[in-house]
Amino acid sequence: EDQVTQSPEALRLQEGESSSLNCSYTVSGLRGLFWYRQDPGKGPEFLFTLYSAGEEKEKERLKATLTKKESFLHITAPKPEDSATYLCAVGPPSGTYKYIFGTGTRLKVLA
Amino acid sequence: DTGVSQNPRHKITKRGQNVTFRCDPISEHNRLYWYRQTLGQGPEFLTYFQNEAQLEKSRLLSDRFSAERPKGSFSTLEIQRTEQGDSAMYLCASVLPTSRDTQYFGPGTRLTVL
Repeated sequence: EDQVTQSPEALRLQEGESSSLNCSYTVSGLRGLFWYRQDPGKGPEFLFTLYSAGEEKEKERLKATLTKKESFLHITAPKPEDSATYLCAVGPPSGTYKYIFGTGTRLKVLA
Repeated sequence: DTGVSQNPRHKITKRGQNVTFRCDPISEHNRLYWYRQTLGQGPEFLTYFQNEAQLEKSRLLSDRFSAERPKGSFSTLEIQRTEQGDSAMYLCASVLPTSRDTQYFGPGTRLTVL
């Protein structure tokens, strides 16, 4: 069964303390891995798409990487405004249009 | 504002009532998704439209749920005979025809069933 698992469920960091969030997946034929940021009471905001193992993308303090079984979202020197839930999702397996989301990592960055 | 819009933003209803939500995608986005999200969970796929055609509907969706996208523009999601378990955030997302997969989400409609 296609599945996405994110860890940790929650993470508290001090401002400037770098860390990584993990997204592991089992899917038949990966058609893209997506990272989103979601603030409370709002819809997810697109961050990155990765398609091939070894691919990396960066945006400000965030860097996403992809292997054949998992993806990491690295947060370098985070700031309080980076506090949010980070969701990952995998693109639709063959024969379906259904994206599969993980349950997210709730990140809190303390000043 | 050129983003995805959803109305209403909040809906409180009594069990057994029918509710309808609207989603206006970004102009020229021909692909549209509906999701349901409960507290502490990721978005759960409900249904997918390409233009006006509904191409997939989740098996988890009971026959109380129906969605339409007339003329391939805005979309509506209706829930009939609401139950307390329907309480959730309902999200809409749209995708450009030239984009492989990037979904742009609306702010969601928060449904509370009393």
